[in-house]
Amino acid sequence: GAGVSQTPSNKVTEKGKYVELRCDPISGHTALYWYRQSLGQGPEFLIYFQGTGAADDSGLPNDRFFAVRPEGSVSTLKIQRTERGDSAVYLCASSTAGRSTDTQYFGPGTRLTVL
Amino acid sequence: AQTVTQSQPEMSVQEAETVTLSCTYDTSESDYYLFWYKQPPSRQMILVIRQEAYKQQNATENRFSVNFQKAAKSFSLKISDSQLGDAAMYFCAYRSALIGNEKLTFGTGTRLTIIP
Repeated sequence: GAGVSQTPSNKVTEKGKYVELRCDPISGHTALYWYRQSLGQGPEFLIYFQGTGAADDSGLPNDRFFAVRPEGSVSTLKIQRTERGDSAVYLCASSTAGRSTDTQYFGPGTRLTVL
Repeated sequence: AQTVTQSQPEMSVQEAETVTLSCTYDTSESDYYLFWYKQPPSRQMILVIRQEAYKQQNATENRFSVNFQKAAKSFSLKISDSQLGDAAMYFCAYRSALIGNEKLTFGTGTRLTIIP
């Protein structure tokens, strides 16, 4: 079946603008994760959804970052008043049920560039 | 908090040879999972192999195997018969077995180059 998809693949914006990044998980996966990967680094956890609710948002860096998953499937990561430091690849992953035994399957990411 | 350290930013290996990538981690937990992910230029993270901490036997997946040393908190990846398609960034990752702590913690990665 289809894997995790993310749109757009690349996003260029200007400092101070608002952006939305979309993630379509594997069909039937109830758990969804967002990670951020800065240049030369490994992915860093942002937020985890179990169904429609955010089970763990401890990785969100500040209140400019917000994510939703209103119907328990597609998720949108929203960044307000973007800063140059927000430039990174934003990765989304999904798993069957979020159990520690479940594999997280990743999408290809969205590369965000803030000018 | 858990940390994962990959001390080799870059490695290279001749095609068909064997290479070992190193990973150490720090945790106070006794039950957890360890992973190696591969990230080619397409950016998509692909699971290579996983190890459950409660299992003493080292995991193996075809040409990929791990050397898991729980007491030393070491988790290295061995790639045998290296192929050109193995060229990628490799990330070691940790995941707690505790419910409510499902996030992955990654190292900084090792870039593997395969020399034809």
